[in-house]
Amino acid sequence: KQEVTQIPAALSVPEGENLVLNCSFTDSAIYNLQWFRQDPGKGLTSLLLIQSSQREQTSGRLNASLDKSSGRSTLYIAASQPGDSATYLCAAGRAAGNKLTFGGGTRVLVKP
Amino acid sequence: GAVVSQHPSWVICKSGTSVKIECRSLDFQATTMFWYRQFPKQSLMLMATSNEGSKATYEQGVEKDKFLINHASLTLSTLTVTSAHPEDSSFYICSANDRGRTEAFFGQGTRLTVV
Repeated sequence: KQEVTQIPAALSVPEGENLVLNCSFTDSAIYNLQWFRQDPGKGLTSLLLIQSSQREQTSGRLNASLDKSSGRSTLYIAASQPGDSATYLCAAGRAAGNKLTFGGGTRVLVKP
Repeated sequence: GAVVSQHPSWVICKSGTSVKIECRSLDFQATTMFWYRQFPKQSLMLMATSNEGSKATYEQGVEKDKFLINHASLTLSTLTVTSAHPEDSSFYICSANDRGRTEAFFGQGTRLTVV
């Protein structure tokens, strides 16, 4: 059974600092790995999707890497802004049906 | 593109009543949709897979008679929480995949409070 873990559970940084969010998964036979942002009481916004054959994806200030052999993915957010404050979730996709197993999330606070 | 709309965004109901939540794919067809539940301070847990034209597939520990899922068309799946109790209070959220794309798109979620 796939288990996804995100450490730390919470992170507070001053504005401008780079953010590094970690995600680990126990079963390396994933279909893809997806990173989401969730604001309090809201739904999920997809940030980046990494297929199992890829090593990384980039979008603007965001970069996500995937190392299947070690069961890890990392989300980097460059030059953090207060608007980046949210909970970030990673999810491992099982097979082509894309059922997702979520990590517990990292709650990020970027202080002005 | 790939917009998923969920309704209602929040609902309060009395214990013992049933509540229906709708999940619609607005600009694509979804043969499969997924229903997740999120308790406070916890992550999302997959409840069931909704299949258009056939029965839903439930994850272990999820009561299929309590959480009725209907996927009557390629753009609509509904989740009905029957005989709701306070412990069913949670954030319910659906997702769908656009055929040919592997990225999952989520609705806005529904906050259910049972009093």
